[in-house]
Amino acid sequence: GAVVSQHPSWVICKSGTSVKIECRSLDFQATTMFWYRQFPKQSLMLMATSNEGSKATYEQGVEKDKFLINHASLTLSTLTVTSAHPEDSSFYICSAPSGIAGYEQYFGPGTRLTVT
Amino acid sequence: GQNIDQPTEMTATEGAIVQINCTYQTSGFNGLFWYQQHAGEAPTFLSYNVLDGLEEKGRFSSFLSRSKGYSYLLLKELQMKDSASYLCAVWDSNYQLIWGAGTKLIIKP
Repeated sequence: GAVVSQHPSWVICKSGTSVKIECRSLDFQATTMFWYRQFPKQSLMLMATSNEGSKATYEQGVEKDKFLINHASLTLSTLTVTSAHPEDSSFYICSAPSGIAGYEQYFGPGTRLTVT
Repeated sequence: GQNIDQPTEMTATEGAIVQINCTYQTSGFNGLFWYQQHAGEAPTFLSYNVLDGLEEKGRFSSFLSRSKGYSYLLLKELQMKDSASYLCAVWDSNYQLIWGAGTKLIIKP
C-alpha cells in the first residue's frame, strides 16, 4: 500500500515557539493532503485540507494564521504551529488519498506535540 | 448537523466474534469507511462500503444499509492484537470525511 511519512514523530517545545511538521507521500503523488488533530480519547478532528499549488482550506474554528500550511510539492505538505501554547499539545496526523479509486486515505504515523 | 454514532467501548473474548455498529446522519453520502487505530498510532484503512450489503475481507467484514444510515464492522476469530479503537467515517456530499468518536475494543483472553 501507499506510504505516508511524518517528521518529527514527537516534539517538545517551549511556549511561544514555532514547530514545523512535515508530511510526505513516499511512493505516490498527492495533490491533496489532510491535517488532523486528535486529543486523548477523542476522534480525529479535521483541521485543514492542503492543496498543492494553492491555499489550504481551513475548517471552521481553526486559525489559519496560527496553523500555517504549505503544500510545496506533490509529495510534501508542512504544518507549522506558530506561537505554540500548551493547549496546542496534541497528536497531529496527516493523510493523503490514494488507491485506484482515490478513496483510501493513507495516514502518516502522526506527530505528538507537547508544548511546555 | 452531521452526526456519527458508535459505542464508546466494547469488550470481547479472544477467539469470539464481535460486531461494532455505526449509525450516521450526514448531508449526502458517498461512502462509509472503517479504520483501525492502535493507541498512539495513526489509523489504518480497513474497509470502504458505498453500496448496500456485506463486504468480506479475511476475518473482517463490513456491512452497509444506506436506507437505515447504518453500518457494522464484524470481527471474527478475535486475536489479542485486535485490541484497538475502530473508527467509522462517512464521506458526505462534498467528499468531506465525517468521523465518529471511535469504539475502543478490549479483547480478553
